[in-house]
Amino acid sequence: DTGVSQDPRHKITKRGQNVTFRCDPISEHNRLYWYRQTLGQGPEFLTYFQNEAQLEKSRLLSDRFSAERPKGSFSTLEIQRTEQGDSAMYLCAGSGANYGYTFGSGTRLTVV
Amino acid sequence: AQSVSQHNHHVILSEAASLELGCNYSYGGTVNLFWYVQYPGQHLQLLLKYFSGDPLVKGIKGFEAEFIKSKFSFNLRKPSVQWSDTAEYFCALYNTDKLIFGTGTRLQVFP
Repeated sequence: DTGVSQDPRHKITKRGQNVTFRCDPISEHNRLYWYRQTLGQGPEFLTYFQNEAQLEKSRLLSDRFSAERPKGSFSTLEIQRTEQGDSAMYLCAGSGANYGYTFGSGTRLTVV
Repeated sequence: AQSVSQHNHHVILSEAASLELGCNYSYGGTVNLFWYVQYPGQHLQLLLKYFSGDPLVKGIKGFEAEFIKSKFSFNLRKPSVQWSDTAEYFCALYNTDKLIFGTGTRLQVFP
């Protein structure tokens, strides 16, 4: 248990459906990050929050992707009209002081 | 743009062999560098980090890395690997409030 929880662990969805993932960081994590990892690649930055404010979004994050962090606690990542290319592991990480990142175990999305 | 390169995609070693995994970065300013490990089916875990000071950084599980500014490198080393070191290793650069990862190196250690 890393202290950063992600739900669900696995999600299989049909192309065109919407999916939502949740991340619960440790309470001390004022920053929360979303990354995407595909097979054979390193994690790619998607977006991050400082408390409840979304401060940066990657160009990888198309209009079909949206993330929220209401009240600066948990965060959700929604993908609308999923495509097969969205199949990946979606990682959440919390960060506090000293650049310390704590990663969750990820949500593996398979779009069929 | 900042980037991290890991040229060894797959490394196979026998137990007790020495390990060196390459990491090169592209960035002209002050760098903060990290090595993460991902064991099969597990989350990313921090091995070690460099912010400033002694360029030879020691991490957990006997790993160390050396920051060589002139070569833009931050190679990971371990003098004697164990079967339990089988994992994927990622080098990362911290810049503009986020980590930028390399593509990773898959290490397989055979007994």
